Parts: sequence; C-alpha cells; structure tokens
Amino acid sequence: RKEVEQDPGPFNVPEGATVAFNCTYSNSASQSFFWYRQDCRKEPKLLMSVYSSGNEDGRFTAQLNRASQYISLLIRDSKLSDSATYLCVVRSNYQLIWGAGTKLIIKP
Amino acid sequence: DTGVSQNPRHKITKRGQNVTFRCDPISEHNRLYWYRQTLGQGPEFLTYFQNEAQLEKSRLLSDRFSAERPKGSFSTLEIQRTEQGDSAMYLCASSSLASGGRETQYFGPGTRLLVL
Repeated sequence: RKEVEQDPGPFNVPEGATVAFNCTYSNSASQSFFWYRQDCRKEPKLLMSVYSSGNEDGRFTAQLNRASQYISLLIRDSKLSDSATYLCVVRSNYQLIWGAGTKLIIKP
Repeated sequence: DTGVSQNPRHKITKRGQNVTFRCDPISEHNRLYWYRQTLGQGPEFLTYFQNEAQLEKSRLLSDRFSAERPKGSFSTLEIQRTEQGDSAMYLCASSSLASGGRETQYFGPGTRLLVL
C-alpha cells in the first residue's frame, strides 16, 4: 500500500462544475498536509496547506480528517485555468510524501 | 528573481557518463531537498540538507548518486555512470521553518535528464 493514495485520473469536467479530490495517508503520525498543483512539464507549486479545522481560499476548500486519515480538496466554479495535476502531500518529520497526483481537465 | 533556480534545465547524456546538477535555493532558506519525478508519479525524496549538513538520504539514492552543499548555500547533485533508468526530472526545493513550526517547500523549475 502506498503511503499517500489519490483518486486515479484523469477527471474530465465542464467549466463551471465543482470537482472534488480525495486523498488518504497511512502514517497516523503525519504532521502537516498540503495540496500542490503541477502544470505539465513544470515544477509543483503550493496550492494550499490543509489545517485541522478545514480552510478555504477563494474557490478552493481543503478538509482534513485525522481520524480517517483522509484529506480532500474541493474546487468550485472550475475554470479552464484549473486544468493541472493536483498532488496530495503529507509531511512526516522532515520528509514530504507525495501522492501520484490526479490530473484535472476542464472542458469549455 | 528570488525563487529557487536550477541548472541546467535540460541535460541529454549517453549511458555511462557523469552528470552534475546545481540548485540555488532561496537565500534565507536553510533547508534544501532533492527529489526525482518520473512521468505520472509524484516527486520521490532523494536527500535533505540543513545548512551544509546532509541529514538524510533515501535508499533510492544509490552509491552512484552524491549530493553536496559545501557552504550551506547552493547544492550539487552528481550522478556517476548514468543509466537509462536515471532519466527523470530532478527537482530541488528549499524551505525554512516559520513560526509555529510550519514549513513550506518551494520548488525550482527542475532539471530534466535524458540518458540515451
């Protein structure tokens, strides 16, 4: 079993739709959680950190459930520019453990 | 540009040759990480420096790989006797601990290696 698992993709959704990504992690001692976005052939860029109480940044909402070891990312009113791969990342001590990513394709 | 920079951006080499990549972190960051990413996968941790000290190496990092950060600033990653399986994107990230213990890693653009 992988340490961080994400929904296999790709997700093909129409512009304006709401899309949800799910992620589970295996190490209950994990300390921090993040969503990164990676465009094709580019480096990953931090989208948002995930806090225990859940957090929102514009159209993006992240949730963490420590008991279930589950993280989610919701994108509302999706834009064409949201097309990218979304990577779930879990920090254990100094290491970032990455999921394989879920590719999102927004169609006009 | 005050972000993380990496050189070269692309490298094509023949199997058996040695290659060296450089990473210049964000200047005030004391932590530096190397990752490797292949198509369809997330980055895989290779090694980590705090200042000039290399604190951890992944078992992915075979004895053909060596990394240095001699003055606690820039870092180099050398691959000796390259193999076709070394073809990947090599990413560098830097960070520092914020108040409250939070750490965010910022990535460079990567060096894409192709071993023929």
